[in-house]
Amino acid sequence: AQTVTQSQPEMSVQEAETVTLSCTYDTSENNYYLFWYKQPPSRQMILVIRQEAYKQQNATENRFSVNFQKAAKSFSLKISDSQLGDTAMYFCAFMKHGSYQKVTFGTGTKLQVIP
Amino acid sequence: DAGVIQSPRHEVTEMGQEVTLRCKPISGHNSLFWYRQTMMRGLELLIYFNNNVPIDDSGMPEDRFSAKMPNASFSTLKIQPSEPRDSAVYFCASSLPGRMNTEAFFGQGTRLTVV
Repeated sequence: AQTVTQSQPEMSVQEAETVTLSCTYDTSENNYYLFWYKQPPSRQMILVIRQEAYKQQNATENRFSVNFQKAAKSFSLKISDSQLGDTAMYFCAFMKHGSYQKVTFGTGTKLQVIP
Repeated sequence: DAGVIQSPRHEVTEMGQEVTLRCKPISGHNSLFWYRQTMMRGLELLIYFNNNVPIDDSGMPEDRFSAKMPNASFSTLKIQPSEPRDSAVYFCASSLPGRMNTEAFFGQGTRLTVV
């Protein structure tokens, strides 16, 4: 079974600064996907960024980027130029490659952006 | 498309009562997931369907929980009888067919309170 660990229950960052959220995972699979989802106070789960394990290049989406270290099974999220709207819970998630897309989530990191 | 639609958004019920949560996935999506979110356990996958067929229900906590997907556009999660420890936010999510379509789209969740 796969496990996803987020060791930072809460974090805060000043507006316009950069913050990095940590995530580690454990799997015996070689082909898989990793995700960061954002859950704002509205409760809606929103995909922020995704990484395919077979790609060495780190994924980026505007102000969001990841540092994917496959050997270390580490998948951190960097948010640059933090904005007030980034305040949310952030969940790291894992999905094995295959026909059925079962996603395993970490316990989340609550990020507060301070004006 | 309106996205994944869940109803009701909030449900308060008395212990022992039957509760039915409803989900309408995005049209064309053939995978559907039910998750439960609590402070203590985070996001847990309860069950998921592919082409209306339950694939893995190992996350369903007890026989009091049951889920159905009678057609491609509708699913229900039923708890009978409900207990206070069932209080949580229940999410439904759907995704596109095919191995490369990895994003799960979430509904806004149903907050269930059992008193």
